[in-house]
Amino acid sequence: DGGITQSPKYLFRKEGQNVTLSCEQNLNHDAMYWYRQDPGQGLRLIYYSQIVNDFQKGDIAEGYSVSREKKESFPLTVTSAQKNPTAFYLCASSSRAGGDNYGYTFGSGTRLTVV
Amino acid sequence: QKEVEQNSGPLSVPEGAIASLNCTYSDRGSQSFFWYRQYSGKSPELIMSIYSNGDKEDGRFTAQLNKASQYVSLLIRDSQPSDSATYLCAVPGFSGGYNKLIFGAGTRLAVHP
Repeated sequence: DGGITQSPKYLFRKEGQNVTLSCEQNLNHDAMYWYRQDPGQGLRLIYYSQIVNDFQKGDIAEGYSVSREKKESFPLTVTSAQKNPTAFYLCASSSRAGGDNYGYTFGSGTRLTVV
Repeated sequence: QKEVEQNSGPLSVPEGAIASLNCTYSDRGSQSFFWYRQYSGKSPELIMSIYSNGDKEDGRFTAQLNKASQYVSLLIRDSQPSDSATYLCAVPGFSGGYNKLIFGAGTRLAVHP
């Protein structure tokens, strides 16, 4: 079955540590996205990518970095510069940029906690 | 004005009643509209999409679109406790220099027995 796989499901980060969240899709989608969700809050866009080797900052990109070396993969690194990284991270994809006609498909999420 | 607005709720309805969730949007050029359901601690799941004015029914769910008034609604008939979740409205738009789906903050629905 096609879908988006995020790993790990839970991640613990020590102060000053960089961590990488994995996102892989086998839907043959061109566009991929990373969102952050805080308790009781809506979705905030971190980064997005329309095609391989290209990505753009979203609304809250500071302290995060991404790469898009393969169509299927869009990993997110939470760097030590992100001072409040504890949140629920969601990866999504769409057949083309903007999600027209078919919307986004979401992965199951990664819950990141600073310890 | 926010690009996509929803009442945060909670909207509390008794089991078996009709739950009505509303969403307004600012971009008159939007052509497609989506409703996602998000259970607590889980990721959003697409439950309805609508592209034309009028109603679209899928089981107990009905999406209603009125482009002239710029609102889209979701009706849930015969509400069940398992429908208790946050419902997100999403509309394609152009914001911050790029095309993207713009999500509302979500309406929390609580269906009580």
